[in-house]
Amino acid sequence: GAVVSQHPSWVICKSGTSVKIECRSLDFQATTMFWYRQFPKQSLMLMATSNEGSKATYEQGVEKDKFLINHASLTLSTLTVTSAHPEDSSFYICSARARDKLNYEQYFGPGTRLTVT
Amino acid sequence: GENVEQHPSTLSVQEGDSAVIKCTYSDSASNYFPWYKQELGKRPQLIIDIRSNVGEKKDQRIAVTLNKTAKHFSLHITETQPEDSAVYFCAASEGFQKLVFGTGTRLLVSP
Repeated sequence: GAVVSQHPSWVICKSGTSVKIECRSLDFQATTMFWYRQFPKQSLMLMATSNEGSKATYEQGVEKDKFLINHASLTLSTLTVTSAHPEDSSFYICSARARDKLNYEQYFGPGTRLTVT
Repeated sequence: GENVEQHPSTLSVQEGDSAVIKCTYSDSASNYFPWYKQELGKRPQLIIDIRSNVGEKKDQRIAVTLNKTAKHFSLHITETQPEDSAVYFCAASEGFQKLVFGTGTRLLVSP
């Protein structure tokens, strides 16, 4: 149980275009989803936290108009990178937390490798 | 906000030796401390976690200890194997709040 999927697993896009990444909890309801970015040989940096049906909370320094997050249902969150630039190339990972008051664990998706040319 | 420091950044051991990775946190309200193993290009994999009401937890070759007074927690891997080679991250959170990750430790286990 507690499987999180991401789509696509990798994507190459041209500078100036937008890319959408989907994160799905396959066998549980996720009240909260998190989006992380990881540059090579670095740690996971939280970009934003999203709760179903409400606006995402962005971390300091993350442009909310550039990284659009939608959490429309208890099993789906999307991250759209708008007007992508080469510096946005990174490994994007989502995680989801189950609707369980006793469980603090976050379940991670497999990640999406974004390359902007 | 919470700040998590992790040491060492790299650790090389011989197969069969023990490995210890240490983390310190700053927010005394943090009460959940997971450890993740991440292989290149893959998702972080939870290997063990501990809550603040427990001082130590063990799962086969892996153990975690927590010192709330000093605000530090450690990962202990015994009888290391080459397949333990990966990057390990510690993290901390206050319950259901966001996780703050350490900077990572690259563990290399040589045969």
